[in-house]
Amino acid sequence: ELKVEQNPLFLSMQEGKNYTIYCNYSTTSDRLYWYRQDPGKSLESLFVLLSNGAVKQEGRLMASLDTKARLSTLHITAAVHDLSATYFCAVDRQGGSEKLVFGKGTKLTVNP
Amino acid sequence: DSGVTQTPKHLITATGQRVTLRCSPRSGDLSVYWYQQSLDQGLQFLIQYYNGEERAKGNILERFSAQQFPDLHSELNLSSLELGDSALYFCASSVGGYDTEAFFGQGTRLTVV
Repeated sequence: ELKVEQNPLFLSMQEGKNYTIYCNYSTTSDRLYWYRQDPGKSLESLFVLLSNGAVKQEGRLMASLDTKARLSTLHITAAVHDLSATYFCAVDRQGGSEKLVFGKGTKLTVNP
Repeated sequence: DSGVTQTPKHLITATGQRVTLRCSPRSGDLSVYWYQQSLDQGLQFLIQYYNGEERAKGNILERFSAQQFPDLHSELNLSSLELGDSALYFCASSVGGYDTEAFFGQGTRLTVV
């Protein structure tokens, strides 16, 4: 069974600081997704990482994928309050099914 | 706006009742997924349909069922509702195929009283 673990689950940081969210998964997969969710809202797709070594950046967020280590990171640079949200990583289960298995999410709070 | 439409946005119903949640996927998407999000269980995959046929099944209770119609919209039926079924139910859609990205609807918040 594919398991996806994120850490930390809760992250409180000051504006202007840098931090990294980690996403580990248990079985082979080379497709990983990062989503953002604001309270009570839908999930917004942030990044799609499709191969080993993939790195994508959008604004203050950068995501990377290491399929050998089964690890993805979401790095936050110079955080601002607008980044406060819950971030989920999700992995495609390899072997036919296209469903996504989600981590529990990291609730990020950026304080002024 | 992801292009995935879910109705209704909110639903309040009593225990023992049956409800139907509706999802219209993005134009051109053949796959529809249903997820349940609750505080204690997180985001749980329920079921996936691809072009009208069931493709994958997750932690979906026997009281729940779904289908995808020829026009590709999907419905999730929840019956004999219990308090614990209160959750946010999301539908997502994707083109289908190997390299696929799922886009989520706004969700239906179900409250069972």
